[in-house]
Amino acid sequence: KAGVTQTPRYLIKTRGQQVTLSCSPISGHRSVSWYQQTPGQGLQFLFEYFSETQRNKGNFPGRFSGRQFSNSRSEMNVSTLELGDSALYLCASSLHMGEQYFGPGTRLTVT
Amino acid sequence: ELKVEQNPLFLSMQEGKNYTIYCNYSTTSDRLYWYRQDPGKSLESLFVLLSNGAVKQEGRLMASLDTKARLSTLHITAAVHDLSATYFCATGRGSTLGRLYFGRGTQLTVWP
Repeated sequence: KAGVTQTPRYLIKTRGQQVTLSCSPISGHRSVSWYQQTPGQGLQFLFEYFSETQRNKGNFPGRFSGRQFSNSRSEMNVSTLELGDSALYLCASSLHMGEQYFGPGTRLTVT
Repeated sequence: ELKVEQNPLFLSMQEGKNYTIYCNYSTTSDRLYWYRQDPGKSLESLFVLLSNGAVKQEGRLMASLDTKARLSTLHITAAVHDLSATYFCATGRGSTLGRLYFGRGTQLTVWP
């Protein structure tokens, strides 16, 4: 069974730009969660989608948004990028509220 | 908000030695996860602990859960260099189990 895939793996953007990250969950998994990992803040939850609905949301500004499609693939978008948005963005998929399996991550660098 | 505390945050140990990583969480939870992360890599699931008293072992690692004490431990037996990595515990609760709360991680270095 294929694992969670994320694209792109690496991204360099300039302050003020926007970015879209993509996550394809394990086949059959309908829940997708997104996390931001930084050396200073550790692993922080962004949001979770289940059956195209945002079910949980972390404490991030409105510049961070996401969505899920009918095939369970998910995207997250960050608008008006700031230097502090540089991080490893991880997505995880699971069956309904089960164990989460993480993708390889997208390394975003904002300059 | 659910808080998860791990200690120690940094652990340097000699090969062959034993040590325990501790994970405390602040409110009731019914499952506890341990993950491993190698530098620049994603999180690899190690253990899922679902009930009080649960104990799981894989190779030189053994994890346990005490829900009454809100404590999980990850015990390392006879450490080897390949165990060098960062270990995270995480938990969730109730209807927000799609959201995991992570500890800060324990960076383990095993030296000869």
